[in-house]
Amino acid sequence: DAKTTQPPSMDCAEGRAANLPCNHSTISGNEYVYWYRQIHSQGPQYIIHGLKNNETNEMASLIITEDRKSSTLILPHATLRDTAVYYCIVNGAGNMLTFGGGTRLMVKP
Amino acid sequence: EAQVTQNPRYLITVTGKKLTVTCSQNMNHEYMSWYRQDPGLGLRQIYYSMNVEVTDKGDVPEGYKVSRKEKRNFPLILESPSPNQTSLYFCASSRDLSTVGKFFGPGTRLTVL
Repeated sequence: DAKTTQPPSMDCAEGRAANLPCNHSTISGNEYVYWYRQIHSQGPQYIIHGLKNNETNEMASLIITEDRKSSTLILPHATLRDTAVYYCIVNGAGNMLTFGGGTRLMVKP
Repeated sequence: EAQVTQNPRYLITVTGKKLTVTCSQNMNHEYMSWYRQDPGLGLRQIYYSMNVEVTDKGDVPEGYKVSRKEKRNFPLILESPSPNQTSLYFCASSRDLSTVGKFFGPGTRLTVL
């Protein structure tokens, strides 16, 4: 059973914020929300993860709703190089990652 | 530079000819794993290892073997490759339980004829 639901594709204008949603309504208390991206056929790249508080790093921000049933990855100023497939993954500590279909983000000039 | 390396990056082989894809990490990570990626199926885990001499099956282990004799290396072995093992393979490593799979290798594209 899929643990997360993401839109299959999204477009974003270069320089604008890209907001990628993810639903994870069956998340349990000890499960983290991870975001990865994969550019073309390169190895997946870790972006950010969180448990219940919002998180920010040099790449992105992660906003998790209070009930933890959904989250949004925000790329504040998308560039053409951010065009990639973005994966939202819900995972308990110690378990291996299960990648779903992801969202194909196309950043357009 | 912290990295996960894989070799070879590309390989074309024939059915039944044993092959090994190497994976090495220079971060002293305990956790390592192998994934395969196929169109429409996403990334699926093949095997993982939580430490030296500790390995376990992932979602699609059939036809593969692994070993973990040293912390830095986690080779993937195909004893008798078949065409359905044609795929893009990724090795991953991570320091601890909270950052599983944080670093991925560049991938190995395998074609079995």
